[in-house]
Amino acid sequence: DAGITQSPRHKVTETGTPVTLRCHQTENHRYMYWYRQDPGHGLRLIHYSYGVKDTDKGEVSDGYSVSRSKTEDFLLTLESATSSQTSVYFCAMAGTGGAYEQYFGPGTRLTVT
Amino acid sequence: DQQVKQNSPSLSVQEGRISILNCDYTNSMFDYFLWYKKYPAEGPTFLISISSIKDKNEDGRFTVFLNKSAKHLSLHIVPSQPGDSAVYFCAASGTGGGATNKLIFGTGTLLAVQP
Repeated sequence: DAGITQSPRHKVTETGTPVTLRCHQTENHRYMYWYRQDPGHGLRLIHYSYGVKDTDKGEVSDGYSVSRSKTEDFLLTLESATSSQTSVYFCAMAGTGGAYEQYFGPGTRLTVT
Repeated sequence: DQQVKQNSPSLSVQEGRISILNCDYTNSMFDYFLWYKKYPAEGPTFLISISSIKDKNEDGRFTVFLNKSAKHLSLHIVPSQPGDSAVYFCAASGTGGGATNKLIFGTGTLLAVQP
């Protein structure tokens, strides 16, 4: 069973509309991350969280916000979607104890028309 | 500025032969390196890692080599199998462990293992 899931898996939206992507984990992990994957760029960090209500910006945070009100849920919001935010979004989680490995969800393919 | 670079976008190898995927980095503060494997329409999965205090780590058919002086690491897959066909991402971390565990990823190399 997957310890980390994402919803929706696919979404098509129009420019200017707000969009929220959800990440849910069942491992009680402290750290959670949102990435986007684009051709030629690999995986780039958008925002991350190191605990409930503790979040910080990543490399490409402009136009995105996040919230974490419970350990298991990490939400990514595009306040006003733009075509440049068409991408595949991945959520990841990591435990404590100095472990570097992150474990990824299955991804959400978002298309902004 | 790309701190982690995978200069080969793709690699094709015959089944049974060795696959060598390369990764270069520029930040000497990186102290931990990881390889992830990604199939289409799935999330990346952790494959193998290496600490900067080591120069080699082996796990079954997968071996990662680290050359700190050259700021270069490589992933060797021996023997290669068709199921190894995927995109491989190199990643690095330099946060000193614990805290936020942020990873910097390369752009990926698409490996195709021909039967």
